Amino acid sequence: EAQVTQNPRYLITVTGKKLTVTCSQNMNHEYMSWYRQDPGLGLRQIYYSMNVEVTDKGDVPEGYKVSRKEKRNFPLILESPSPNQTSLYFCASSLMGAGTDTQYFGPGTRLTVL
Amino acid sequence: EDQVTQSPEALRLQEGESSSLNCSYTVSGLRGLFWYRQDPGKGPEFLFTLYSAGEEKEKERLKATLTKKESFLHITAPKPEDSATYLCAVQARGSARQLTFGSGTQLTVLP
Repeated sequence: EAQVTQNPRYLITVTGKKLTVTCSQNMNHEYMSWYRQDPGLGLRQIYYSMNVEVTDKGDVPEGYKVSRKEKRNFPLILESPSPNQTSLYFCASSLMGAGTDTQYFGPGTRLTVL
Repeated sequence: EDQVTQSPEALRLQEGESSSLNCSYTVSGLRGLFWYRQDPGKGPEFLFTLYSAGEEKEKERLKATLTKKESFLHITAPKPEDSATYLCAVQARGSARQLTFGSGTQLTVLP
């Protein structure tokens, strides 16, 4: 089954404790992206990757890091989480190419930083 | 800066009562406009992509239309299972696949 998976689905942590949220897709997609969703603000892009070893900042990159060492994986790293990073996070992927811009989303990771 | 505004924020309908959701946008050259459905606690699920003014797409009780300034999602004879938040997003030409999302319309269909 074609899908985007994220782990963990739920995470409660404390300020300053480094964490990683994993994202994996099995569709051989070149493009991957991370979003955060907050009430009243909608989905905002954090980082995206056009291909292996190619990443760039989205609209709200502060406090986050990403890496793309393999095509299928795109982990989101919070080196020193803060309470304002409490949010619902989504990973998405799409196939690069003309006329194929549909982004497929993972199930989400709900993060609480105390 | 690309902007997407969705209205209304929330909509309650009786089963069978047709209505429309609005998505107004400003973008520096539209590459595509996307509609997604999001159920509580889940990731957005793709519905439609529209690329040019005048284009229409349909899926079951949903029909999406596009003009140069806005898109409508028409819901015909909705059922309770159509209850969800509907998200609109735009992608600008040359934006490297970045999407700008609206805040969504929360639709509730009462039996």
